[in-house]
Amino acid sequence: NAGVMQNPRHLVRRRGQEARLRCSPMKGHSHVYWYRQLPEEGLKFMVYLQKENIIDESGMPKERFSAEFPKEGPSILRIQQVVRGDSAAYFCASSPRPDTGELFFGEGSRLTVL
Amino acid sequence: GENVEQHPSTLSVQEGDSAVIKCTYSDSASNYFPWYKQELGKRPQLIIDIRSNVGEKKDQRIAVTLNKTAKHFSLHITETQPEDSAVYFCAATWGGSNYQLIWGAGTKLIIKP
Repeated sequence: NAGVMQNPRHLVRRRGQEARLRCSPMKGHSHVYWYRQLPEEGLKFMVYLQKENIIDESGMPKERFSAEFPKEGPSILRIQQVVRGDSAAYFCASSPRPDTGELFFGEGSRLTVL
Repeated sequence: GENVEQHPSTLSVQEGDSAVIKCTYSDSASNYFPWYKQELGKRPQLIIDIRSNVGEKKDQRIAVTLNKTAKHFSLHITETQPEDSAVYFCAATWGGSNYQLIWGAGTKLIIKP
């Protein structure tokens, strides 16, 4: 049973470009969470999605950031017109149910904005 | 707003000694408290968790204690080994949510040989 798969693992973008990060949850998991981690800091919740639904996006900036989890395919975190401050590690996690608490994390996608 | 404070930010202990990391939370509705270990460049991994109806939980060399009245919980690692070196994060659910976690800033644990 493959774990949470994220790609790309590393992504370099220039200011103003778009970054698209993908996350395939563990098999059987229908709850996906995105977190951002700045160097030397903890994880910050961004968004929680179920298939075709955004449940909670309270941690996601209102502009330039969007997330989706379509019926088919991976969850995608999209950052438009990237700025240097978007440079961070973006972790995706999944869980089989929202009430278990335990999150299974992917290896993360490290975005560098030049 | 709601937050979780974690101390110390860095902890250096001699191999074989014990390590204790402490966290305090502000939301009295918090009911789930996990601890994650993150090695350099790797994903966070759950090492132990505790729910609000339990005061203590132990798993081999790792234990977690929870004091709901004081709103703090602690991670205890005994007989530390070099592979325990990592950053440890505590977290707590908040706002009555079962899924949204507020994370501490992390503790870098260094095990000296």
